[in-house]
Amino acid sequence: DGGITQSPKYLFRKEGQNVTLSCEQNLNHDAMYWYRQDPGQGLRLIYYSQIVNDFQKGDIAEGYSVSREKKESFPLTVTSAQKNPTAFYLCASSILSEETQYFGPGTRLLVL
Amino acid sequence: AQKVTQAQTEISVVEKEDVTLDCVYETRDTTYYLFWYKQPPSGELVFLIRRNSFDEQNEISGRYSWNFQKSTSSFNFTITASQVVDSAVYFCALGGGFKTIFGAGTRLFVKA
Repeated sequence: DGGITQSPKYLFRKEGQNVTLSCEQNLNHDAMYWYRQDPGQGLRLIYYSQIVNDFQKGDIAEGYSVSREKKESFPLTVTSAQKNPTAFYLCASSILSEETQYFGPGTRLLVL
Repeated sequence: AQKVTQAQTEISVVEKEDVTLDCVYETRDTTYYLFWYKQPPSGELVFLIRRNSFDEQNEISGRYSWNFQKSTSSFNFTITASQVVDSAVYFCALGGGFKTIFGAGTRLFVKA
């Protein structure tokens, strides 16, 4: 079955710690995205990548970093510079950068 | 600037009632896409429909129907004979790919 997987489902971060959220897709999509969702709000774009080894900042990139070494994988690191990381993080992919996005199940990040 | 407004924050209906979720958008683009996504309690966003700005035909899929009116910049979503499983947050979106702008969402409660 083709789809997008995200792990872990829940993640706890301590003060000053960097954590990495995994996103993998087997849809053979070129573009991948990371969104942040806060309670009662819509989605905000953190980073996106249209091809391997290239990525662009979205609207709220500060305190986050990404890599795109393989077409299938687009991990997101939440760094200690992100002062308010508690949120629901969604990864998505699309065939082309203008096309419909398909989403993974999300990772909920909580701060201890 | 592009914008998506979902004025209804929460809607509560009784099973078998029809319900319409409103979506109004703003864009200066002449070509654009409009989307609806469903976010059940599990968290994953499920793609429902994509509409191209050149195609104003209304669409029906089972109990779901969409009314696209370019003249009023609206893309409303109607669920006929609602069911408890329809309870979710529904997002309207404009653009496509990294240009996607999401509305704040409408939370639908369907009571048995």
